[in-house]
Amino acid sequence: GENVEQHPSTLSVQEGDSAVIKCTYSDSASNYFPWYKQELGKRPQLIIDIRSNVGEKKDQRIAVTLNKTAKHFSLHITETQPEDSAVYFCAASISGGSYIPTFGRGTSLIVHP
Amino acid sequence: KAGVTQTPRYLIKTRGQQVTLSCSPISGHRSVSWYQQTPGQGLQFLFEYFSETQRNKGNFPGRFSGRQFSNSRSEMNVSTLELGDSALYLCASSSSGFQETQYFGPGTRLLVL
Repeated sequence: GENVEQHPSTLSVQEGDSAVIKCTYSDSASNYFPWYKQELGKRPQLIIDIRSNVGEKKDQRIAVTLNKTAKHFSLHITETQPEDSAVYFCAASISGGSYIPTFGRGTSLIVHP
Repeated sequence: KAGVTQTPRYLIKTRGQQVTLSCSPISGHRSVSWYQQTPGQGLQFLFEYFSETQRNKGNFPGRFSGRQFSNSRSEMNVSTLELGDSALYLCASSSSGFQETQYFGPGTRLLVL
């Protein structure tokens, strides 16, 4: 089955710096890659996603890039703010009626004021 | 629209007991997915229901089961509880499945003693 590895497990940055979190996947058939943010004690929330027919997607300070050849995708957060502090999860799945989403183990992002 | 709700929010059980958790999706959403979240294993997919049918199932033992009602509300049941079943159980709803935006509930925190 699919295997998703996420790095780093912890990322500490200063406010205003950029943060990059990388995920690699094993199944070349995977074609949907969402990112979730989970603040302490709260529910996960989708922040951005990308499909395999797109190489990059941006939403204000957040961007995701996908390299299908290398089978990795990354989350980029620019101009980080303290409220960006949370655990970020990546996931991979295959479209169609049958899917089993596989998640990365999460990255704890800490933004120091 | 009201968000995804889950009941109960907290639960303490002993080994060997069974438990039923409930999830009410966003109105109009037909897909409900269940996830187990633990510090050791991260976020893992349990199963997905769509229009009262289990459409996908993760790699969990048969002690974990679920169902969905005609109003899209879903329940999951865990029989013969084990200590390792202690976790946060999250459900998420979407209009058609994982590849559409999933909205998570607050979760049910289960502690097995």
